[in-house]
Amino acid sequence: KNEVEQSPQNLTAQEGEFITINCSYSVGISALHWLQQHPGGGIVSLFMLSSGKKKHGRLIATINIQEKHSSLHITASHPRDSAVYICAVSGGTSYGKLTFGQGTILTVHP
Amino acid sequence: GAGVSQSPSNKVTEKGKDVELRCDPISGHTALYWYRQSLGQGLEFLIYFQGNSAPDKSGLPSDRFSAERTGGSVSTLTIQRTQQEDSAVYLCASSRTRGSPEAFFGQGTRLTVV
Repeated sequence: KNEVEQSPQNLTAQEGEFITINCSYSVGISALHWLQQHPGGGIVSLFMLSSGKKKHGRLIATINIQEKHSSLHITASHPRDSAVYICAVSGGTSYGKLTFGQGTILTVHP
Repeated sequence: GAGVSQSPSNKVTEKGKDVELRCDPISGHTALYWYRQSLGQGLEFLIYFQGNSAPDKSGLPSDRFSAERTGGSVSTLTIQRTQQEDSAVYLCASSRTRGSPEAFFGQGTRLTVV
């Protein structure tokens, strides 16, 4: 069993829909990261959080430390949101030594 | 530069050859990380540099892989005697260790071993 599990692996949505991607982890962490990877490979860090909830534009990330679970929500989805969303966790003070989930491929149709 | 810069962006090499991949981190970032993304394996951690401390090499897959960071800035990942299974995208990231330790990623080097 992977230390970081994401669901679903693939997600297709219509423009405007509310999207949720889930991430569960089995190890102690210092932080959880949500990353976005567009075709072509570039990775962008969306959120880094260790508790509670963060919001940036139409993106919301939550984490429940007790349940070892995080969710990434996209409100009013748009075709430009189509990308791979990757959950990753870090431990100790090495915030960049990440253990990655397998990613969720999101496709938003107009 | 404003972001993490990696070179080359693409590299095709023959099996058995050595390759060097370069990473220029964001100025002032003391932490530097190498990751690998290959088909079927997803993203995996390779090595981590933090300031002048000894690097964390726990993710390097074999002794053919090595990395160094000169002057606390530029890093070079070297793969000796490349094998076809080394084909992957090699990603570098850097971060500050104080304030916001969020990692910033380069565009990666796509390595193809033929």
